[in-house]
Amino acid sequence: DAGITQSPRHKVTETGTPVTLRCHQTENHRYMYWYRQDPGHGLRLIHYSYGVKDTDKGEVSDGYSVSRSKTEDFLLTLESATSSQTSVYFCAISESGGLRETQYFGPGTRLLVL
Amino acid sequence: AQSVTQPDIHITVSEGASLELRCNYSYGATPYLFWYVQSPGQGLQLLLKYFSGDTLVQGIKGFEAEFKRSQSSFNLRKPSVHWSDAAEYFCAAGGSNYKLTFGKGTLLTVNP
Repeated sequence: DAGITQSPRHKVTETGTPVTLRCHQTENHRYMYWYRQDPGHGLRLIHYSYGVKDTDKGEVSDGYSVSRSKTEDFLLTLESATSSQTSVYFCAISESGGLRETQYFGPGTRLLVL
Repeated sequence: AQSVTQPDIHITVSEGASLELRCNYSYGATPYLFWYVQSPGQGLQLLLKYFSGDTLVQGIKGFEAEFKRSQSSFNLRKPSVHWSDAAEYFCAAGGSNYKLTFGKGTLLTVNP
């Protein structure tokens, strides 16, 4: 298994509070991704990073920000959580970002916003 | 817009029966195509991928998929399903922008 960990694995929070999810990899892969998974929607890309301090938006980036200060860590922040952000969040990594490169997924973080 | 469609939300098969999961894509050009499997409470695991060449692709766990350009399809097959194959299966496609577009998934139930 690819060395990807996500923390926390489960979180319950209240509407309006900030939340930060962490993805940590030990593979030294350049590309990292944040997806959310919702019933009936599959996985949707929130943000991705193609290097330290280099990030870009995905298809559902509103309400989310990201940061990558080290190769191994990619943080996803919900500045002010809303109930619509209740979801399962997956981090993924790939070596170069080219689609010939497999994306490896972390175990996921379940977030419940009350 | 790029899209991936998995027409079947839920499929039930008996153990030992054959399986085919459908996937259709809509892209400007031939995309790169993937099948992932997700067991309950787990992340996604890559089963197989298609980039070019032979249109029949072999993957892990006895799965294969066939790319059909004329039908814009990339269906996943397995000749004999095992109870451990019960999971959710996602088809995904990617183009030149390095981003994957996922289908909504097909949940597979295996009856003993």
